[in-house]
Amino acid sequence: DTEVTQTPKHLVMGMTNKKSLKCEQHMGHRAMYWYKQKAKKPPELMFVYSYEKLSINESVPSRFSPECPNSSLLNLHLHALQPEDSALYLCASTARAGGRSTDTQYFGPGTRLTVL
Amino acid sequence: GQSLEQPSEVTAVEGAIVQINCTYQTSGFYGLSWYQQHDGGAPTFLSYNALDGLEETGRFSSFLSRSDSYGYLLLQELQMKDSASYFCAVRASYGQNFVFGPGTRLSVLP
Repeated sequence: DTEVTQTPKHLVMGMTNKKSLKCEQHMGHRAMYWYKQKAKKPPELMFVYSYEKLSINESVPSRFSPECPNSSLLNLHLHALQPEDSALYLCASTARAGGRSTDTQYFGPGTRLTVL
Repeated sequence: GQSLEQPSEVTAVEGAIVQINCTYQTSGFYGLSWYQQHDGGAPTFLSYNALDGLEETGRFSSFLSRSDSYGYLLLQELQMKDSASYFCAVRASYGQNFVFGPGTRLSVLP
């Protein structure tokens, strides 16, 4: 099973709402990532979790709050977002966290987020 | 800082061969990956080079020259389904943070 799943597929929220994005993988991968992708742009790294610990935060605003409850799950909690946060949010995983590995990043299908 | 450059668009016909170039300037370098992304889809892994030379995977090959900070993706026997965006990505540090290039939009014409 080389699948990363994400829910929901689509999300529309107001600027005062609180919502969460979920990501799950059952490949035994120990590194998980959140990316943000705007239309016709490359994915931008937001967060990296290594062995369930936050290892990289690319200066993401605090209205985005990641959580890694266990090695298979990754959440992204959203609160007080702005319209410019509308984007495709991608989750990915790699087998190992760090090292000179050739690890492939497996991406989930993404959550298309619209902030009104 | 870190920067990667790719051509923004490439057009080719079915059955042809196309090369997508990627140059990079990063503070560190552990490898160069290539990803394909169809409209509305997620990126999917195509190839990875950590050392100089050519890696071949079916119709796709990828090349790396570390001394030139340059790589390319070669797509042979193009098919209509190859129309997509292609991203190079550098793993710039010991940690697992990947930096993506701006992407190349490939259009395959009949």
